[in-house]
Amino acid sequence: DIQMTQSPSSLSASVGDRVTITCRASQSISSYLNWYQQKPGKAPKLLIYAASSLQSGVPSRFSGSGSGTDFTLTISSLQPEDFATYYCQQSYSTPQTFGQGTRLEIK
Amino acid sequence: QVQLQESGPGLVKPSQTLSLTCTVSGGSISSGSYYWSWIRQPAGKGLEWIGRIYTSGSTNYNPSLKSRVTISVDTSKNQFSLKLSSVTAADTAVYYCARDLEGMDVWGQGTTVTVSS
Repeated sequence: DIQMTQSPSSLSASVGDRVTITCRASQSISSYLNWYQQKPGKAPKLLIYAASSLQSGVPSRFSGSGSGTDFTLTISSLQPEDFATYYCQQSYSTPQTFGQGTRLEIK
Repeated sequence: QVQLQESGPGLVKPSQTLSLTCTVSGGSISSGSYYWSWIRQPAGKGLEWIGRIYTSGSTNYNPSLKSRVTISVDTSKNQFSLKLSSVTAADTAVYYCARDLEGMDVWGQGTTVTVSS
């Protein structure tokens, strides 16, 4: 299985901050990397697919980059509704695997 | 737009089989080149991919669960289903169904399944 490792595991930030979350794969996954946002009691929401493509309806303050083994999710200016847990997921091979999550909290 | 809804028992006894159904509305399960997936999340923990089925009926399963998992599709009912046999307390989780093409773009709301006698 491909292991996905996110950092940091948790992060405190303020509204308006620029935030970056990283995700590393245990082997190359090309650009088969997706990012999700999950709020308590809710299903995950797809933000970014194929490493850098913004899902329809997702605000442009979210962006993704990377290829191979190293990827980043950036939120350019945090909004109150962005405080949530974020997961990366590789869809390069089965079993698809997720990172352990990054909890983004209000400072 | 396409919506997904999980259904099934919320309580399953140890050693029994967990059975869930995901009903697709707002579109045909047979249209497009989608995979239809199951994912689970124990309380307070991360996401685990269980497996998926293609519209042709071909399946992929997580090897960690493969001997216990069966995913099937019923195109006449616009549904796909999950069966997980020989459950234990470790299978207690919120179970989600999702549509997968380039990322899982449509999710059900999730259903909580507790394994307990």
